[in-house]
Amino acid sequence: DAGVIQSPRHEVTEMGQEVTLRCKPISGHNSLFWYRQTMMRGLELLIYFNNNVPIDDSGMPEDRFSAKMPNASFSTLKIQPSEPRDSAVYFCASSLRLAGETQYFGPGTRLLVL
Amino acid sequence: AQSVTQLGSHVSVSEGALVLLRCNYSSSVPPYLFWYVQYPNQGLQLLLKYTSAATLVKGINGFEAEFKKSETSFHLTKPSAHMSDAAEYFCAVSEQGGSEKLVFGKGTKLTVNP
Repeated sequence: DAGVIQSPRHEVTEMGQEVTLRCKPISGHNSLFWYRQTMMRGLELLIYFNNNVPIDDSGMPEDRFSAKMPNASFSTLKIQPSEPRDSAVYFCASSLRLAGETQYFGPGTRLLVL
Repeated sequence: AQSVTQLGSHVSVSEGALVLLRCNYSSSVPPYLFWYVQYPNQGLQLLLKYTSAATLVKGINGFEAEFKKSETSFHLTKPSAHMSDAAEYFCAVSEQGGSEKLVFGKGTKLTVNP
């Protein structure tokens, strides 16, 4: 299996622009997680889905952030409008929908908002 | 809610020395516990996990961790550090109630000196 695939790997944009991050989970996995990693705040869970349905979005910073999972093989995280404080590495992870299952992480998208 | 405490944000050892990275969790019920490793510019990958079988868990690259319920600890060890072990290590615990959601510690950056 190719593992979790994220695109783009790097994104540089200007403040106010819309940013869309993409994730393809491992085939057969039915839970998908979006994380954000910064030096100051560490690794934060933003939102996760079970069977394409958002279960917990309490980590989404504000209304500028939105996430969708239109089908089992694709998810997006959108920031509109972007701000410099959104600069971070964004990870997508997937797992089977069972307690104790391993989460498999993608390589991340490094976002820089100027 | 669950929480994880990793003592020491930075640990430095000499090549060949013992590696000990500390992790304590808050839970009255034995949870699922994980150690992940993150190499520079990469996503997190699983080192090992405890899922209520043997209390001493062996992982990849010679690492192991021991679950101690009385101490609510899950410390990670390796008898002899190698230069390639330099990375950031994250302890994680499953949320209560059988959730697939994980709570991560803030990470410990391991430096291995020649």
